[in-house]
Amino acid sequence: DQQVKQNSPSLSVQEGRISILNCDYTNSMFDYFLWYKKYPAEGPTFLISISSIKDKNEDGRFTVFLNKSAKHLSLHIVPSQPGDSAVYFCAASAANNNDMRFGAGTRLTVKP
Amino acid sequence: GAGVSQSPSNKVTEKGKDVELRCDPISGHTALYWYRQRLGQGLEFLIYFQGNSAPDKSGLPSDRFSAERTGESVSTLTIQRTQQEDSAVYLCASSLGRVDTGELFFGEGSRLTVL
Repeated sequence: DQQVKQNSPSLSVQEGRISILNCDYTNSMFDYFLWYKKYPAEGPTFLISISSIKDKNEDGRFTVFLNKSAKHLSLHIVPSQPGDSAVYFCAASAANNNDMRFGAGTRLTVKP
Repeated sequence: GAGVSQSPSNKVTEKGKDVELRCDPISGHTALYWYRQRLGQGLEFLIYFQGNSAPDKSGLPSDRFSAERTGESVSTLTIQRTQQEDSAVYLCASSLGRVDTGELFFGEGSRLTVL
């Protein structure tokens, strides 16, 4: 069962513009959410996270927004840079569970 | 080493053969995870080790899959009698503690192709 969904397999934006990557989840027990970034032939690397007690977390050009009522989170990258081109995975976990559920990923391409 | 190390990076095997994948976590990380990623899909949880506690094997897809970890060091994922649907990238990750309070550090993965 796909408890974490990233419905857009790909996204293309122009350098300098905003990139918005979306993620939906179905399990209301999830209380910690993360975004990972993956380059080809490398393992995913942690990017940013948010706890369910917050609705926004910002780190430089990256901001994650959480809408608990809609079970939706998004990652905003502004301004987008060509080096941001990668696959972005949304992940979620629950305090009473050991496993972290991942979405299928969204491939972001930032064009110069 | 500085990061999570996995070997082999690529493995091609014939259907029915056994394969063994190795993961060397970051020193001091008590938690170790195995995930797999099939083509076009997300990361699928397989198994979790935390210190000397009994592993969480709830994600293993069949009894052909098993994993071991000695203390807080190297882990081995074994797939017996491989099938074509086992073809995937197998990713290992480690962390300092529980997954819900910290990030995972991933290795580069072992790409398994079953012919």
